[in-house]
Amino acid sequence: GDSVTQMEGPVTLSEEAFLTINCTYTATGYPSLFWYVQYPGEGLQLLLKATKADDKGSNKGFEATYRKETTSFHLEKGSVQVSDSAVYFCALFNQAGTALIFGKGTTLSVSS
Amino acid sequence: DAGVIQSPRHEVTEMGQEVTLRCKPISGHNSLFWYRQTMMRGLELLIYFNNNVPIDDSGMPEDRFSAKMPNASFSTLKIQPSEPRDSAVYFCASSKRGGGGLLHEQYFGPGTRLTVT
Repeated sequence: GDSVTQMEGPVTLSEEAFLTINCTYTATGYPSLFWYVQYPGEGLQLLLKATKADDKGSNKGFEATYRKETTSFHLEKGSVQVSDSAVYFCALFNQAGTALIFGKGTTLSVSS
Repeated sequence: DAGVIQSPRHEVTEMGQEVTLRCKPISGHNSLFWYRQTMMRGLELLIYFNNNVPIDDSGMPEDRFSAKMPNASFSTLKIQPSEPRDSAVYFCASSKRGGGGLLHEQYFGPGTRLTVT
């Protein structure tokens, strides 16, 4: 079945460092892909999305490109801030497009 | 827009007691989802509704769990009897489902942290 695999965390960075969180997926066809972010004590929020191959989603300085050749959707940010500390989830629509399938989440901790 | 509203935010109960979690989706959304989040298992989809009808409850762990959506603005997740292994954060999310059944972005509530002692 469809699935999402994220790199294990936690990821610990200093402020202004470059961030990459890896995400690969297994799916039939080309599902829409998402990154969600969960700040401490809150629910998940959509960070960015891409609906077809080679699309680049971007928001708040974060970017991710839908790579069908490598079935990947890695999240990147050029210069992280302390306020980016959160848990990041990669997700895709199931084959029917009726529900999201989430990865296990990657915790990011940024120190000043 | 008030967003997805969940209550209570925190619940502590003893093993064997009944627990009811509540959710009010965003007005105009026609799909509602219940998730459970734990350190061990991550984020799991328990059940989802479309137009108040349960579509897929394959994620509900046991018969002790039940969910209802009596109308478009309210849903409950009930655990009876509760057990310590049910301790988790339970999220409700809502979304619009467009033509062809395709799902739009999901909006999550703040979650209910359940502790069963």
